[in-house]
This record gives sequence, structure tokens and C-alpha cells, in this order.
Amino acid sequence: GQQVMQIPQYQHVQEGEDFTTYCNSSTTLSNIQWYKQRPGGHPVFLIQLVKSGEVKKQKRLTFQFGEAKKNSSLHITATQTTDVGTYFCAGPTISAGGYNKLIFGAGTRLAVHP
Amino acid sequence: EADIYQTPRYLVIGTGKKITLECSQTMGHDKMYWYQQDPGMELHLIHYSYGVNSTEKGDLSSESTVSRIRTEHFPLTLESARPSHTSQYLCASSPFDFGRGDEKLFFGSGTQLSVL
Repeated sequence: GQQVMQIPQYQHVQEGEDFTTYCNSSTTLSNIQWYKQRPGGHPVFLIQLVKSGEVKKQKRLTFQFGEAKKNSSLHITATQTTDVGTYFCAGPTISAGGYNKLIFGAGTRLAVHP
Repeated sequence: EADIYQTPRYLVIGTGKKITLECSQTMGHDKMYWYQQDPGMELHLIHYSYGVNSTEKGDLSSESTVSRIRTEHFPLTLESARPSHTSQYLCASSPFDFGRGDEKLFFGSGTQLSVL
């Protein structure tokens, strides 16, 4: 079945350093979503990318969707301690019942040292 | 902010007990999901529903069962809890995507289950 793979699994950075997490799908995606989960919290929607080659920015966060719509990346510039958490990518797949459901990557856990 | 609620927030229970984890949303969303997650680990889809009386099993085999009798309510039941069921259970909902696959998930705060 369809898989969404995410690397790295963990990333430790010093505050102020940049951070990137990568997401790869085994199949072409109609769209990709990114979520952030703070320690002890629940995943919160960050953004959705739909178009081939799309780039979106949210302050220090830059999201990219690959030209083939099979990969995506999230880049954080000058990390802060508030960026700590696990970042998940997710893409739609078709369920046994014929409906769309989201498949999540394994997530990248980001630790930021002050 | 999303209006999706899970109770209880924490549950410690003995082996063999029957438990029901509650999930309710007030957004009128057709689609609801249950995910199982160990701390800091990946999200495993265990059940989902596309509307009233519609449920499907997810990618991770689970001994739990679900029901969807009302749009707003999607409870998860374990008939006989075991220590291997210890985990965090996250409920989520989304509006129907009409085949676009672009639904945005709203998550509840989760139930942390510990089975002794």
C-alpha cells in the first residue's frame, strides 16, 4: 500500500540553527499536509500544499511540494525553543471503502538547545 | 480553534476491564478518526468513519471497536483491556472532502490510557 516516509527521525539543533525535515511518498499525492505536535500535546494543522512545485512560507517556516508531487520538505530558519516538537507530513490515500483518508509519516522530532 | 473533545484525559485501569473512550465534535464534520500513538512516535490509524453507521478499520490492527450512531459522537470501546493497550488515543475529525482528499484534520487532546 501507499507509504509516506519521513526523515530524519530525530534532529537536535542549537538555537539559531536551521532545520529541515523531508517527506517522501511511494505514490503521487494530490496534496500534502504538515502538522506540528508539541510535547504532551496533540497534532495541529500547519499548512496544505496542492500544486506541483508549490512553495509556501509562514514566518520562519518554508514548505515545498516537489515537482512530481511525491516529496515535500519543511525548513525552519533560525530555530527557536518554541519550535520544539514533532513535525508530521500527511498525504491522502484511498480506503477500502473508496474514501480518502490521510496517511501520516513517522514524524521528525526536533529538539532545540538554547 | 477546533471543537473536538475527548474524555477522559487520563485513565488508569486494571487488566480485563471494559472501557469506553469518548470523542465528540460540534463542527458537524462527517469524517472522524481514531489514532493510537506512543509518546513522541508515529500516528497509527486504527478506526475511521465517513458518516453515521459507516466505520472502517484502519491500518493498525486493533482489538478495539467503534460506533457512529450520531454525527457528533465516535466512541471507542475495549471489551477487555490489557497492558499492551497502554498508549495515547487521539480522536480527530474533518469535513467531507467530496473526493478531493484535501480535508484538514482537527485533533482532540487525547486520552492517555494505562492498563495495569
